[in-house]
Amino acid sequence: NAGVTQTPKFQVLKTGQSMTLQCAQDMNHEYMSWYRQDPGMGLRLIHYSVGAGITDQGEVPNGYNVSRSTTEDFPLRLLSAAPSQTSVYFCASRPTSRVSGYTFGSGTRLTVV
Amino acid sequence: DAKTTQPNSMESNEEEPVHLPCNHSTISGTDYIHWYRQLPSQGPEYVIHGLTSNVNNRMASLAIAEDRKSSTLILHRATLRDAAVYYCILSSQGAQKLVFGQGTRLTINP
Repeated sequence: NAGVTQTPKFQVLKTGQSMTLQCAQDMNHEYMSWYRQDPGMGLRLIHYSVGAGITDQGEVPNGYNVSRSTTEDFPLRLLSAAPSQTSVYFCASRPTSRVSGYTFGSGTRLTVV
Repeated sequence: DAKTTQPNSMESNEEEPVHLPCNHSTISGTDYIHWYRQLPSQGPEYVIHGLTSNVNNRMASLAIAEDRKSSTLILHRATLRDAAVYYCILSSQGAQKLVFGQGTRLTINP
């Protein structure tokens, strides 16, 4: 069981570039989400999905897009990177059929210059 | 979202028990109490959760006050690998997000 896998682990972008952060889980979890963590702060929710074909915004969605075409994958797209998006990004998943803890990936450290 | 209050930092010694407190005086009847920890340069890791009764698992125990306005995460025998930031989070069953506060930074002395 790989759990939640995020790629890449590190990325440097120039302002205005776009990229996709990948997240995959092999636990058949219905719920998946993306958080960002800025230095010295707690995590903030960007987008989430309760199943394939269903996505919704979290508290800081601007500048990010998501889609959920399969249960396993939940990619996060940065449309036009800005220095304010420099952060560590975490993907998380959990089942929805019962109260359960979230499984987090190991993170993608993104720097926008 | 109901708010939790935790000490900013705590320190303990290796092989001793650690009691991490959390206050949540505005908890609602449907809120579960979740604990996560985050080791340096890693993603958060689920530790334990409970609703009303005390809970035990291989990582820790969760003691919940009778009025549910506070709880305590208990690490029975701390190791150096338990040094992390510990987050106490309230979440209802249908909630779509975890609201992370600042957490408690736990330091373990050898």
